[in-house]
Amino acid sequence: ETGVTQTPRHLVMGMTNKKSLKCEQHLGHNAMYWYKQSAKKPLELMFVYNFKEQTENNSVPSRFSPECPNSSHLFLHLHTLQPEDSALYLCASSQEGQALNYGYTFGSGTRLTVV
Amino acid sequence: DAKTTQPNSMESNEEEPVHLPCNHSTISGTDYIHWYRQLPSQGPEYVIHGLTSNVNNRMASLAIAEDRKSSTLILHRATLRDAAVYYCILRGASYGKLTFGQGTILTVHP
Repeated sequence: ETGVTQTPRHLVMGMTNKKSLKCEQHLGHNAMYWYKQSAKKPLELMFVYNFKEQTENNSVPSRFSPECPNSSHLFLHLHTLQPEDSALYLCASSQEGQALNYGYTFGSGTRLTVV
Repeated sequence: DAKTTQPNSMESNEEEPVHLPCNHSTISGTDYIHWYRQLPSQGPEYVIHGLTSNVNNRMASLAIAEDRKSSTLILHRATLRDAAVYYCILRGASYGKLTFGQGTILTVHP
């Protein structure tokens, strides 16, 4: 248990389906993130939330819709995805704003396959 | 964000030390040097970070050049479980997104 829990671990969905990925952190952190990792590519930052407010959206298509109801939970709602959206989706959390620089804690990810 | 350069891959034998280099010639005075690793089918894992002085923890050591333009992650005795992709990342003092590059694929031979 890493302190950041992602569910489900694996998801197969059709292009017309609607599904949601869930992330929960038990570390008391104030920032949460969604990353996408496609095969053979570096991790790409998708969204950043600080104190439940979205502070960054890296030109992510609208078929990905994040939601952060509180500082411990983060969702990624998926709708009308394409096969090229198949990837490992990783959630992370961190404590921002402190003088001492701490790191991110990542979940184990959700392996998404779009068929 | 300042950029880092790492070799694409490195190999080591089990129980031998491993030195993973990272160049960051455009580092600013307030950038911390972070190292993460990603084991197969898992999310990245924090390894170590430092600013100017060398750092040690239970996982690894971080040696930082005096001019801070390069650093080296040292695994003192590699095990098969250390086979992973290792990422060297620069990050600001109290806030700064973590931007990943390609990293170094470390292979450990029995």
